[in-house]
Amino acid sequence: AQSVTQLGSHVSVSEGALVLLRCNYSSSVPPYLFWYVQYPNQGLQLLLKYTSAATLVKGINGFEAEFKKSETSFHLTKPSAHMSDAAEYFCVLSYSSASKIIFGSGTRLSIRP
Amino acid sequence: EAQVTQNPRYLITVTGKKLTVTCSQNMNHEYMSWYRQDPGLGLRQIYYSMNVEVTDKGDVPEGYKVSRKEKRNFPLILESPSPNQTSLYFCAIVGQAYSGNTIYFGEGSWLTVV
Repeated sequence: AQSVTQLGSHVSVSEGALVLLRCNYSSSVPPYLFWYVQYPNQGLQLLLKYTSAATLVKGINGFEAEFKKSETSFHLTKPSAHMSDAAEYFCVLSYSSASKIIFGSGTRLSIRP
Repeated sequence: EAQVTQNPRYLITVTGKKLTVTCSQNMNHEYMSWYRQDPGLGLRQIYYSMNVEVTDKGDVPEGYKVSRKEKRNFPLILESPSPNQTSLYFCAIVGQAYSGNTIYFGEGSWLTVV
């Protein structure tokens, strides 16, 4: 069965520090993986996606993620956090014969001044 | 430009008064789905549809109905809303392989049942 696990429901970093949000997946078929961001009282915005091309994926706002099949991971990183990055982040899995989109439980990112 | 349109965006209604939340797409994709988002529970799937006239239950279908009479529309129907259906609702469309299987979300519908 397919599943997505986000480690850490809440991550707090200082402004300018590295952001690392962890996502591990389980899938018996080749997955498509996404990171979405949700700012307070807003909808879901696509940050980046992996769909079996390059394993290092660059997204918007300076975020990137690396697909590591051997570790079944798709961690989200940003070298230097900005106050505007404070939001909830969701790791999402789908696959080519999608009958379901699998959401991670979400990680709330807080930025300390 | 790919668009997923949800209406209404905000609604306060009373217990038992039937309501419909609409979702429409301009992309001709087959897979559409409804989710509700609640604090501490993340996003949970209510119903999904693989194509016209093909719908199936998700994880939390109780109290909801859907229909898929045409490809572009996938309305969510609350026949007799109750306060525990107060939530933020999202419609999602999964694009076909040629579009990279991108997931498109509506902007969300904030529903309050009093």
